Amino acid sequence: EPEVTQTPSHQVTQMGQEVILRCVPISNHLYFYWYRQILGQKVEFLVSFYNNEISEKSEIFDDQFSVERPDGSNFTLKIRSTKLEDSAMYFCASSAPDSPWGETQYFGPGTRLLVL
Amino acid sequence: AQKVTQAQTEISVVEKEDVTLDCVYETRDTTYYLFWYKQPPSGELVFLIRRNSFDEQNEISGRYSWNFQKSTSSFNFTITASQVVDSAVYFCALSDFSGGYQKVTFGIGTKLQVIP
Repeated sequence: EPEVTQTPSHQVTQMGQEVILRCVPISNHLYFYWYRQILGQKVEFLVSFYNNEISEKSEIFDDQFSVERPDGSNFTLKIRSTKLEDSAMYFCASSAPDSPWGETQYFGPGTRLLVL
Repeated sequence: AQKVTQAQTEISVVEKEDVTLDCVYETRDTTYYLFWYKQPPSGELVFLIRRNSFDEQNEISGRYSWNFQKSTSSFNFTITASQVVDSAVYFCALSDFSGGYQKVTFGIGTKLQVIP
């Protein structure tokens, strides 16, 4: 069964450093998402991406964040200058090709980011 | 604005007991989608069910069943004859027109512990 994959599974970084989280969505999906989950809290939407551009973003997704689809398979989230409060589990998701309207988003296993 | 409330933060049951996880949602839209996801201790998010606002039929899948009641804005999830493998955090979630259908709003989650 196709699944979303994410690398790395864990990342430790120093405050102020840049990190890139990588995701490979399900191959025929065209809509991609990033969410984050601070430890013990709920999952929060960050951004959605379609046709090589951001289609929705939350207030969390500020100028420190960027997303990119550098090739036909990868989807990345970059945090330019990490802060302590960026420590969280980051989930990538993708949804079916027809439209994003209410389609199920399938999530990857997550990348646990720890900022020291 | 969209909101999902899961009033039960933690539930413990003894194996083979039935358990119901409550979910109450808020949306201004008439078209919306509801989801349940499971997050086992390993951390990934596993899709369980999707329901659109026009389909109020209850659904059963093996030991899982869902009760959707628009009149009370609730989408409750019941596990029959619970098993230890059901121990996880369960998230109820919503996507609607106001959120562009791309942003999925999650509840805080209910942590279910099934005791052998």
